[in-house]
Amino acid sequence: DVKVTQSSRYLVKRTGEKVFLECVQDMDHENMFWYRQDPGLGLRLIYFSYDVKMKEKGDIPEGYSVSREKKERFSLILESASTNQTSMYLCASTTRLGVSTEAFFGQGTRLTVV
Amino acid sequence: ELKVEQNPLFLSMQEGKNYTIYCNYSTTSDRLYWYRQDPGKSLESLFVLLSNGAVKQEGRLMASLDTKARLSTLHITAAVHDLSATYFCAVYTGTASKLTFGTGTRLQVTL
Repeated sequence: DVKVTQSSRYLVKRTGEKVFLECVQDMDHENMFWYRQDPGLGLRLIYFSYDVKMKEKGDIPEGYSVSREKKERFSLILESASTNQTSMYLCASTTRLGVSTEAFFGQGTRLTVV
Repeated sequence: ELKVEQNPLFLSMQEGKNYTIYCNYSTTSDRLYWYRQDPGKSLESLFVLLSNGAVKQEGRLMASLDTKARLSTLHITAAVHDLSATYFCAVYTGTASKLTFGTGTRLQVTL
């Protein structure tokens, strides 16, 4: 019954490392999203994608990039991790068109940068 | 730029009482979602509201949508401790394919 899967639940990385967070969905959704969640700040949109190879900046894209080479997979990349990127990262997907309107979330990745 | 505002940010209520969480948004939308999040967990979908006047109910929770006022409400009836969680609304705009969240309301139900 799993719909959106994130590659890791917990991750510890060192400052300056390149970090990849992977998200895979099995619902053939066009839209995929990456958020970070910090206490008191809610969910902030980092990047989103509405189709393969398409990407749009969200509200806080600085320090991040993304890749969408296949429809089912959306990767978030931290080019050079910093301690202020320690956070919970959540991936979501939803349809752009069609009758199914649910938006599903992965289980989240708690990233700690030391 | 779409803004989504929720209030209150924090709500402490006694078991058995009723209360409403409000979600205001600044531009037209195609869908409005309500989610629940327990501490340390991901988001669980509660409702999807698609059209003006839509009302959905599940147990003690009822959500409604007024697209003209750009307002959605989540009403809690006769609260129980199990409803303690953080509740988020989120607005989807189809033209931009963007899903924007409110700040969340942390609900604490006390005995």
